[in-house]
Amino acid sequence: NAGVTQTPKFQVLKTGQSMTLQCAQDMNHEYMSWYRQDPGMGLRLIHYSVGAGITDQGEVPNGYNVSRSTTEDFPLRLLSAAPSQTSVYFCASFRQGYGYTFGSGTRLTVV
Amino acid sequence: RKEVEQDPGPFNVPEGATVAFNCTYSNSASQSFFWYRQDCRKEPKLLMSVYSSGNEDGRFTAQLNRASQYISLLIRDSKLSDSATYLCVVRDTGNQFYFGTGTSLTVIP
Repeated sequence: NAGVTQTPKFQVLKTGQSMTLQCAQDMNHEYMSWYRQDPGMGLRLIHYSVGAGITDQGEVPNGYNVSRSTTEDFPLRLLSAAPSQTSVYFCASFRQGYGYTFGSGTRLTVV
Repeated sequence: RKEVEQDPGPFNVPEGATVAFNCTYSNSASQSFFWYRQDCRKEPKLLMSVYSSGNEDGRFTAQLNRASQYISLLIRDSKLSDSATYLCVVRDTGNQFYFGTGTSLTVIP
């Protein structure tokens, strides 16, 4: 099993550009989420999904959209990139009774 | 008040030492507790779950104190390879996970 696969690993955007961070898991987990990690702030939840067709906002959702058309995929869209969105982004999935499995992360820089 | 609070450290300990980290959480109804390990520029990885009765995995021991709302991680006989950031994670009744900011450990030869 590949676990949770995130692409790209690195990305540089100009302010105002949009892009989609891809996330896929092959563990048939219902619950998936996106976090961003900034120095001194820990991991903060952006959006999450409890199953296909169901998404909800986390702690810091502004500027991001998500969709969950299948159990496997949970892409994160940046609508109009801002320097404040420079961060490391992690996608993760979990199932009841276990903790999270994280993807390897996307390092995003917005200039 | 943060949901989960950890001492950020850093903890610098010699090889072979015993080191303990504590983490407090604010929601008394929290359901599940975990310790994650994160290496520099890598994703967090599950180290161990924390059970009410306490649990051990080799050199690592995790404890939960629901009355005082804290969890702890004890590492015995520290190895150089234990150097990492340790994240305390708490899951509430609504399947929301809350992460501490992490405690940095460096094991010195």
